[in-house]
Amino acid sequence: DAGVIQSPRHEVTEMGQEVTLRCKPISGHNSLFWYRQTMMRGLELLIYFNNNVPIDDSGMPEDRFSAKMPNASFSTLKIQPSEPRDSAVYFCASSLGSGGSGANVLTFGAGSRLTVL
Amino acid sequence: SQQGEEDPQALSIQEGENATMNCSYKTSINNLQWYRQNSGRGLVHLILIRSNEREKHSGRLRVTLDTSKKSSSLLITASRAADTASYFCATDSGGSYIPTFGRGTSLIVHP
Repeated sequence: DAGVIQSPRHEVTEMGQEVTLRCKPISGHNSLFWYRQTMMRGLELLIYFNNNVPIDDSGMPEDRFSAKMPNASFSTLKIQPSEPRDSAVYFCASSLGSGGSGANVLTFGAGSRLTVL
Repeated sequence: SQQGEEDPQALSIQEGENATMNCSYKTSINNLQWYRQNSGRGLVHLILIRSNEREKHSGRLRVTLDTSKKSSSLLITASRAADTASYFCATDSGGSYIPTFGRGTSLIVHP
């Protein structure tokens, strides 16, 4: 397995533009997580899917952020419109977690580094 | 919000020495995990310890958990330059089992 695949690896955009980040989890993993990493706030959970259903989106900063998981092999995180404070590294991670009955051991992607000018 | 907090924030040692990092947390947990992150990369899982366990080993790694003190430690023995990375603890609690990460310890191992 190639692991968790994220794209793009780097994105530089201007304030107000739409940004779409993509993630392909490990085949067979039923849980998917989006985290954001910044120097100021560390690693923050944005949203968590189990069996393609969003379970916890309390970490999504505001309505400008949205995430979808249309099938078990693909998820997107969209920011519209983007702002300079959204600049961060966005990580996708997947796990075999069984939706609440055991530990989620996460396999992370390489991350998408977003810079909003 | 962070549940676990690592200590120290930064650690600099010579190759061959042992490195010890600590993680403290606030509320009762189900599990605690340690991850490593090399510069510019994603996090990599190292070891999981459950709340009813006190110690686990994996190669040169030793993790302890003291639930009475709400703390864990990660010991890397005979460190190597390749161990240079940031190390994070992650805890989950309650019924969600969603890992919440600390801010990490930055370890530099000098050859």
